[in-house]
Amino acid sequence: EAQVTQNPRYLITVTGKKLTVTCSQNMNHEYMSWYRQDPGLGLRQIYYSMNVEVTDKGDVPEGYKVSRKEKRNFPLILESPSPNQTSLYFCASYQWVTDTQYFGPGTRLTVL
Amino acid sequence: QKEVEQDPGPLSVPEGAIVSLNCTYSNSAFQYFMWYRQYSRKGPELLMYTYSSGNKEDGRFTAQVDKSSKYISLFIRDSQPSDSATYLCAMTRASGGYQKVTFGTGTKLQVIP
Repeated sequence: EAQVTQNPRYLITVTGKKLTVTCSQNMNHEYMSWYRQDPGLGLRQIYYSMNVEVTDKGDVPEGYKVSRKEKRNFPLILESPSPNQTSLYFCASYQWVTDTQYFGPGTRLTVL
Repeated sequence: QKEVEQDPGPLSVPEGAIVSLNCTYSNSAFQYFMWYRQYSRKGPELLMYTYSSGNKEDGRFTAQVDKSSKYISLFIRDSQPSDSATYLCAMTRASGGYQKVTFGTGTKLQVIP
């Protein structure tokens, strides 16, 4: 079954405590992307990756890091989380932007 | 000003109604135009995409693009309660060999039985 998995699904943490949200896909897709979704602001792209070791900034990359060492995995790293990073995060993978895109189930992050 | 504007709704219609969802945009560099459906507590799913101006039909769904007016629409015929969801428009523009995606804020639709 084609799927994108994210872990954890829910996380409450405190300001400054480094955290990683994992994302994994089983479809051998080249493209992977991270989004955050906030009320009234919609989905905004944080980072994207076109292939292994190829990543670039999206529209809201500040405070986030990513890496793509293997094709299937695309972790999102918050080195020093702040309350304004409280949000719902989605990982997505696809072969091309107009192909079927698979979104993960989302990670709800709260930073106190 | 946002690059993509979408009325947040909520939009409430009776079952069987024709639904019209709309987005406007300001950047003429946008190339692909997409509509996503997002159920509560789920990730978005791609419904349809178009590349050129005109209409594209898929079952009960019709996507319409008017590049001259910078306006896109999604029509849902014979709406069903299962269509109740948030609908997101999205558009892409080329950026270094990649298509960067910009989403609208979403319109929440409720279809009442």
